[in-house]
This record gives sequence, C-alpha cells and structure tokens, in this order.
Amino acid sequence: DAKTTQPNSMESNEEEPVHLPCNHSTISGTDYIHWYRQLPSQGPEYVIHGLTSNVNNRMASLAIAEDRKSSTLILHRATLRDAAVYYCILRDVGTGTASKLTFGTGTRLQVTL
Amino acid sequence: DTEVTQTPKHLVMGMTNKKSLKCEQHMGHRAMYWYKQKAKKPPELMFVYSYEKLSINESVPSRFSPECPNSSLLNLHLHALQPEDSALYLCASSQDPGTQPQHFGDGTRLSIL
Repeated sequence: DAKTTQPNSMESNEEEPVHLPCNHSTISGTDYIHWYRQLPSQGPEYVIHGLTSNVNNRMASLAIAEDRKSSTLILHRATLRDAAVYYCILRDVGTGTASKLTFGTGTRLQVTL
Repeated sequence: DTEVTQTPKHLVMGMTNKKSLKCEQHMGHRAMYWYKQKAKKPPELMFVYSYEKLSINESVPSRFSPECPNSSLLNLHLHALQPEDSALYLCASSQDPGTQPQHFGDGTRLSIL
C-alpha cells in the first residue's frame, strides 16, 4: 500500500489560514487522496477527497501537486472547532481494496486565540 | 450529531462475559465497517461488510464476531475478551464499498476488567 507522511503536529492562530501538508511519493495512478479529521471524543469525519485536480467544498480545499506526490489540505479560516487530528489517506480503486481506510498517525492541529 | 448511531457509548465487562456492540444507520448505505482505536493511536480496520456479506476480516481474533442482520444494522459480538482489547470501537458506513466517504459513529468505549 502506498504510504503517506504528515507532520506530527501543527499550530495555528484562530481565523488564520492553515495549510496541512501530506507527502505520498509512492502514490499510484489509481490512488485517490482522502482527508479525514477526528475531533476529541468523536469518530473520524470525512473532509475532502480528490484524484488529480484541486477540490473545494464547504469545509476545506485540497491542493494536489502536479506530480501527485504531495497534497495540501487548506482550512481557509481556522476556528477553535477545527482543533483535531487530520489524516491523509490513499484509497486505491485499482486493486479492489478501496473499501479499506488505512489511517496513518496524522497531524494534530492546535488552534489558539 | 452523527448519522451512524452506536450503542452503548460505554461498556465495562469482565473477561468471561458475553456482550454485543450495536451500530445503526438509516442512510441507505450498503457497506458497513468496524474499527478499533487504542488510546492516542489511529483507528485500525477490523471488518468490512458489503451488501450484508462479510468481505474483509483483517485477521481479527475469533473472540470478536461480527454480524450484519440487515442493511441498516451491524453488530459486534464479544466473548472472552482480554484486557488488551480495551479500546474505542468505531462503526462506519458508506454508500458502497468503493471510494465513497465513510461516515463514522462516535464509538463505544470498551473496558475489560
């Protein structure tokens, strides 16, 4: 399985943009890039996903490098409620194992006033 | 509030007890999942049900027995558990077993005495 690498932790000030990086240098052509987050005392929550093009939704934006070896989750204005562990996950639609979400260690985001 | 409901929220049991965890969703999803999450670790996949049939068992010990009685319900039967099985057990569902986002419940926190 292709692996992802994320920083262990990041800090942000409230109402500032946050850029959460993810490296996936061994990504295959059939890997989708998914982001989930887990707030304290809750189950993981889907944030966004993409294949090649940048993606936007109401929660965040996903910027994917042209060679697809890295991606960045962008929170446009961090709030205290965005403090969570953010997971970058690759899902391979080419091998029949797409249903498996393999979580890495993720990035713990702290948001301060 | 999540759309995947797990009961009970907390469970304490002895090593000789038999108990069950329950998960319910009414989103019409046809894939359901069990994950185990130890403290300060990422979730780990245990089982995948696709269209009410077990499709993935991640080499989980037989003291954990999943059951999918219908497309809305997923149970996890527990018997003769060990103290190291104490963890947060998360249920998730998705529209299909492909790359659709998974929706998680908030989990059952299980403690084995």
